[in-house]
Amino acid sequence: GQQLNQSPQSMFIQEGEDVSMNCTSSSIFNTWLWYKQDPGEGPVLLIALYKAGELTSNGRLTAQFGITRKDSFLNISASIPSDVGIYFCAGLHTTSGTYKYIFGTGTRLKVLA
Amino acid sequence: AAGVIQSPRHLIKEKRETATLKCYPIPRHDTVYWYQQGPGQDPQFLISFYEKMQSDKGSIPDRFSAQQFSDYHSELNMSSLELGDSALYFCASSSPAVFGPGTRLTVL
Repeated sequence: GQQLNQSPQSMFIQEGEDVSMNCTSSSIFNTWLWYKQDPGEGPVLLIALYKAGELTSNGRLTAQFGITRKDSFLNISASIPSDVGIYFCAGLHTTSGTYKYIFGTGTRLKVLA
Repeated sequence: AAGVIQSPRHLIKEKRETATLKCYPIPRHDTVYWYQQGPGQDPQFLISFYEKMQSDKGSIPDRFSAQQFSDYHSELNMSSLELGDSALYFCASSSPAVFGPGTRLTVL
């Protein structure tokens, strides 16, 4: 089945540093989403990407949808301690009118003050 | 803005018991997705509904069933609970998928 691989799996960075993570798939997705999840909470939508090549920003976050529609990256600039959490990419899979979101394996981010 | 509501937030059950999880999507959202997330795992798709009809099915055990009602809320029914069913259960409404806070199910 479809699988989205995220890298890195985890990262420790210093406050103020920029962060970059990416997500790749063997399948094409029509929509890519990036979520942040805090422990015990539901994933919170950060950015949604709908078109190949699309570059979208949300505050200090920037994400791009790859041209091939098989990959995406998320950048966080000037990280702060509250950026800590798990970041998931998710691809929207549509087949014969059905829809489901496939999640990536997650990137665990820890920010050192 | 209204968000996705899930109840209960926490649930403790014994093995072989039954559990019912409820999801109230964002008003006027017609699609509901259910996900299961084990400790340290990414969310796994269980099942989805569009306009009260089952839309797609993932790795949902036969012991689980779900439905979407006329008011678009959805319920996930879990029978003969097993220890391995302990997880966070999320529902999301479209589109793009907005997730609820989850129900933490613990099976003892």
